Parts: sequence; C-alpha cells; structure tokens
Amino acid sequence: SAVISQKPSRDICQRGTSLTIQCQVDSQVTMMFWYRQQPGQSLTLIATANQGSEATYESGFVIDKFPISRPNLTFSTLTVSNMSPEDSSIYLCSVDSSGTRDTQYFGPGTRLTVL
Amino acid sequence: LAKTTQPISMDSYEGQEVNITCSHNNIATNDYITWYQQFPSQGPRFIIQGYKTKVTNEVASLFIPADRKSSTLSLPRVSLSDTAVYYCLVGAGGYNDYKLSFGAGTTVTVRA
Repeated sequence: SAVISQKPSRDICQRGTSLTIQCQVDSQVTMMFWYRQQPGQSLTLIATANQGSEATYESGFVIDKFPISRPNLTFSTLTVSNMSPEDSSIYLCSVDSSGTRDTQYFGPGTRLTVL
Repeated sequence: LAKTTQPISMDSYEGQEVNITCSHNNIATNDYITWYQQFPSQGPRFIIQGYKTKVTNEVASLFIPADRKSSTLSLPRVSLSDTAVYYCLVGAGGYNDYKLSFGAGTTVTVRA
C-alpha cells in the first residue's frame, strides 16, 4: 500500500487569497486524484492528475479556480484560488492502487476554512 | 457508473454484527463492488472488494447474491473503533477507468 502525506493538515484563510496544498506519495504512481469533501458530505472528485500532462477536471471544476501541478510521479499540488467561504472543505488527494481496479489510497486530507 | 443506495445511518452495540446492504440495480457485467471506511478527520480506507458470492478478509465479509443487484457488508463483533462512515462503490469496470464515485455512505455508530 502507498503512504500519502498532505501539507498543510489544516489552514484558515482570508477570502480572496489562494492556498496551495501539497500531496506526497512514498512510491511512484501513475495517477493521482484530488477530491473535495464539504462538511458532512461525501467526496466529490475535482480532477485527475497524470505526470507530464494537464489535469483532467470534472464537471463543475475549472483550472483557473483549482490549478494542479504534477511535476513527478510522487508529488502533486492543488491550489484553491481566490477563495470564498464556500471553498471551506476538506481536500484529499489519492493515488491508484496499480493493478487493482477501483482501489485508491487516500491521504489524511487538508481542512480548509475560509473566513 | 452504477448508482448505489445504502442506508444513511445504523446504530449498533459493541460485540454485535453489523450488516449494511447496498443496492446497485444497474451494475454492469464488468463492475466490481468495493467498500471503503472513513473515520472522522481521515481519508477513506479500502475495506473489501468482490465480484460475486462471498469474500472475507480480516476486517469484514462481503456477500453478493447471484443477480449482483445488491451486496451486504458484514462487520463481525463491532467495537467502538468501528464507528465510521462506510461507502459502497460500484466501478465502471476495467483498469483504465479509475474514477471513484462516492455516494452518501452509511454512518455506523457503535455504542458501549
């Protein structure tokens, strides 16, 4: 199994600012994913990030708001831009379990509060 | 992706068996059924996966009837630490489609 860490674990930000969340994996992985989990809700996929190509965004999420980088096979960042209180959520990254369908390993999440 | 339906919440007591049933009437031939567990302030964790009949591991059992339109996750002799949200997912099938679609999940509360 993969071990995933995220930084920061939590943050409180002012509206209009941006926050970059880092996701580090202890092994090389092909695909990384970013999810959002609003308070008391289920997880919603934001985008899929492959190394060497642009991220693929799900409906309702755009690159200008959530730019993603994937510089190598063990690291990715998600930026939440021009934040508003509605962006207050837990942001999680995950990686695919190579060779096992529908199985992903998740990081601990970043709890973001926007004032 | 096949839509899943599961109870919103379930209560239990320590030492009891908890069974969570998930309905997935539109499951496709290639779809697997996967369950995740999420504790507060943590990311989801893979519990078990199956295609048909019964699968058992050190954490849970998964029962899948022949028509595969539903599945039941069984947690034997639960403890307080099993209090979590449990998600039933049905995949799109195939190793090239990695998207996971999480439903509302079932909040299981175990009481002493």
